[in-house]
Amino acid sequence: GQNIDQPTEMTATEGAIVQINCTYQTSGFNGLFWYQQHAGEAPTFLSYNVLDGLEEKGRFSSFLSRSKGYSYLLLKELQMKDSASYLCAVRDQMDSSYKLIFGSGTRLLVRP
Amino acid sequence: GAVVSQHPSWVICKSGTSVKIECRSLDFQATTMFWYRQFPKQSLMLMATSNEGSKATYEQGVEKDKFLINHASLTLSTLTVTSAHPEDSSFYICSARGTSGPHPTDTQYFGPGTRLTVL
Repeated sequence: GQNIDQPTEMTATEGAIVQINCTYQTSGFNGLFWYQQHAGEAPTFLSYNVLDGLEEKGRFSSFLSRSKGYSYLLLKELQMKDSASYLCAVRDQMDSSYKLIFGSGTRLLVRP
Repeated sequence: GAVVSQHPSWVICKSGTSVKIECRSLDFQATTMFWYRQFPKQSLMLMATSNEGSKATYEQGVEKDKFLINHASLTLSTLTVTSAHPEDSSFYICSARGTSGPHPTDTQYFGPGTRLTVL
């Protein structure tokens, strides 16, 4: 079956670092995506990992371990505007449509 | 990043009417578009996969006769909610997977969403 797990909510302080974990169990694997979604808005693309290791993009980094079925999104120097939901999504290699399977999302609250 | 538009951004309609939502990829061609529905504080639920020039593939539990999808060109897909009822009120989001242009072909880019309220 297909299963993607993320923590439901996290709280962090402005200026700090936060790590949002994602574990997945899918019939196939062809890439993992992280999206940011503010309330009432559509998701925006943050990162894409298909090989093991760390991808860094400014304040955001994403890590993947395919053997462990594990990824994390690392947010540094947190800002108030980073308060949002963060969605982990896996693309199933067995599906030629390239559709994504989304986790339930992690709501991050950044406090002053 | 890639630009995907949706129209309208919000719509209020009476129960029993039909509503059409458009999804356009503005600066790239998309042979595949996806339609999602999202209820408050929940994640995205994939409704269907739309391929240009062919019939859409619906996820289990989604009524294809109620949610009509047409992908007539490489830049346009439409979702029509037929005979809408209050339980259809939701946030409908489309995404497009690029196959040409300056954007990575491995990534889905999302439209801004359409908030549907059925009275």
